[in-house]
Amino acid sequence: GENVEQHPSTLSVQEGDSAVIKCTYSDSASNYFPWYKQELGKRPQLIIDIRSNVGEKKDQRIAVTLNKTAKHFSLHITETQPEDSAVYFCAASFYGNNRLAFGKGNQVVVIP
Amino acid sequence: DADVTQTPRNRITKTGKRIMLECSQTKGHDRMYWYRQDPGLGLRLIYYSFDVKDINKGEISDGYSVSRQAQAKFSLSLESAIPNQTALYFCATSDRFSTDTQYFGPGTRLTVL
Repeated sequence: GENVEQHPSTLSVQEGDSAVIKCTYSDSASNYFPWYKQELGKRPQLIIDIRSNVGEKKDQRIAVTLNKTAKHFSLHITETQPEDSAVYFCAASFYGNNRLAFGKGNQVVVIP
Repeated sequence: DADVTQTPRNRITKTGKRIMLECSQTKGHDRMYWYRQDPGLGLRLIYYSFDVKDINKGEISDGYSVSRQAQAKFSLSLESAIPNQTALYFCATSDRFSTDTQYFGPGTRLTVL
């Protein structure tokens, strides 16, 4: 099955700085890569996703980049704010997009 | 708003008891999933279903069973609960005719004593 590795496991940033989380995947056939944000005690919520025919996608302060050759994709958060503090999960599709494999999550702490 | 709901939201039970967690959705999606979340381990797939007659095992199905009673309902059962099944359980849905996005329910926190 698909294996998704997520680094670093914890990231602390000063408010206003940028945060970058990187994920690697193993299945070269994967073509859908979502990012989920989970606030404490809440459900995971999709914040951005990218498909393999696109190299970069941006939505306001967040962006995702994909390098298919290297099999890695990254989440970029600019001008971080305290409400960005959460656990972020990356995922990659496999079995013809029938399933998602999730990374273990990254705790982002924005220090005011 | 169309949503995914789970019942109960919290449950404490004892070793050996049979437990059922229920998931309902009003999104009209055909695919439903059950995940387990443990600290530091991310989300792991237990079972998934693409329609009422289709049930598939995920990566950690041992000790669990599921039932897809209708397109909108997917339940997870622990036939004989054990302490290492203490976790946060999430149901999710997706629509094969739209995008591959999965939408999660609010979760059920299960404690097995």
